[in-house]
Amino acid sequence: KNEVEQSPQNLTAQEGEFITINCSYSVGISALHWLQQHPGGGIVSLFMLSSGKKKHGRLIATINIQEKHSSLHITASHPRDSAVYICAVSNTDKLIFGTGTRLQVFP
Amino acid sequence: DAGVIQSPRHEVTEMGQEVTLRCKPISGHNSLFWYRQTMMRGLELLIYFNNNVPIDDSGMPEDRFSAKMPNASFSTLKIQPSEPRDSAVYFCASSRERPTNQPQHFGDGTRLSIL
Repeated sequence: KNEVEQSPQNLTAQEGEFITINCSYSVGISALHWLQQHPGGGIVSLFMLSSGKKKHGRLIATINIQEKHSSLHITASHPRDSAVYICAVSNTDKLIFGTGTRLQVFP
Repeated sequence: DAGVIQSPRHEVTEMGQEVTLRCKPISGHNSLFWYRQTMMRGLELLIYFNNNVPIDDSGMPEDRFSAKMPNASFSTLKIQPSEPRDSAVYFCASSRERPTNQPQHFGDGTRLSIL
């Protein structure tokens, strides 16, 4: 069993829809990261959080430490949100990655 | 502020050849990471440096892989001899201090194809 599990693996949505991507982990962590990888391949760090909730524009990330679960929400989705979203947890000095969720938003 | 700079962006070479990937971290960042990304295994940590010293190289696949960080502004990942199964995208990332609670900044990656 992977230490970091994401769901769904693939997600399609119509422009404007509210999107949720889930991440569960089974190890002790110091922080959880959400990363975005566009089709061109570059990886961008969206959020790093260890408790509660963070918001940046239309993106919201939440974490429940007791349940070892995090969610990434996208409000009013747009085709430019199409990307792979990767959850990763900091365990000691390492990042342990989930396998990613491929999101496609259609106009 | 320049981001993490990797070179080359693409490399195509024949098996058996030596491959050298290069990385310049963000100025002031003390930690540097080399990752490999494949369709089958996703993102995997190969090696991690802190203050130019290798801290964890347990992800380096085998002796054909080596990494150096001669100074705070430069690192290399070398594969010798290369094999087709080494084909992947290799990312370099850096962060301030030790990375436990610091975001990592990724380079654009090097897409490596070994024929």
